[in-house]
Amino acid sequence: DIQMTQSPSSLSASVGDRVTITCRASQSISTYLHWYQQKPGKAPKLLIYAASSLQSGVPSRFSASGSGTDFTLTISSLQPEDFATYYCQQSYSIPDTFGPGTKVDLK
Amino acid sequence: QLQLQESGPGRVKPSETLSLTCTVSGVSISSSSYYWAWIRQSPGKGLEWIGSMFYSGTTYYNPSLKSRVAMSVDTSKNHFSLRLTSLTAADTAVYYCARRLNWNYPIDYWGQGTLVTVSS
Repeated sequence: DIQMTQSPSSLSASVGDRVTITCRASQSISTYLHWYQQKPGKAPKLLIYAASSLQSGVPSRFSASGSGTDFTLTISSLQPEDFATYYCQQSYSIPDTFGPGTKVDLK
Repeated sequence: QLQLQESGPGRVKPSETLSLTCTVSGVSISSSSYYWAWIRQSPGKGLEWIGSMFYSGTTYYNPSLKSRVAMSVDTSKNHFSLRLTSLTAADTAVYYCARRLNWNYPIDYWGQGTLVTVSS
């Protein structure tokens, strides 16, 4: 299985801050990397697919980049509704695997 | 608007079999080219992909669960199902049904999830 790691595991930030989360795959996954946001008690929500494509309806303050093994998700100006846990997922090979998540909370 | 709704028992005993159903509304399972999936989430193991299937029967399962899992589709009821056998406490999780455009595409629609507790 391809192992996914994320850093940091948690971070504290303020409204308006720029936030960057990294995701690393244990082997190259090209751009088969997707980012999700999850709030407590809710299902994950797709934010970014194919490493850098913004899902329809997702605010443009979210952006992402990367290919191969190293990927980043950036929130350019953190908004109150962005406090959540963020997961990366690879779909390059079966089984799909997810990162352990990065929790973004209020400083 | 596509909606997915999981249903099934909230509690199952160890060694028993879990059966969950996902009712799809807003699109016909058999007239679309989507893959339908199950994912679970537990505090100990995080998000875990269980499997994906096409309505015609093509299935992809997580190798770690393959000996215990089966997915099926009932096009007449527009729902798909998950069957997981030989349950242990490690199978306690929130189970989500979901949709993806192809077997290796991202998951773009999720159900709300249903908590399954394995306990005697």
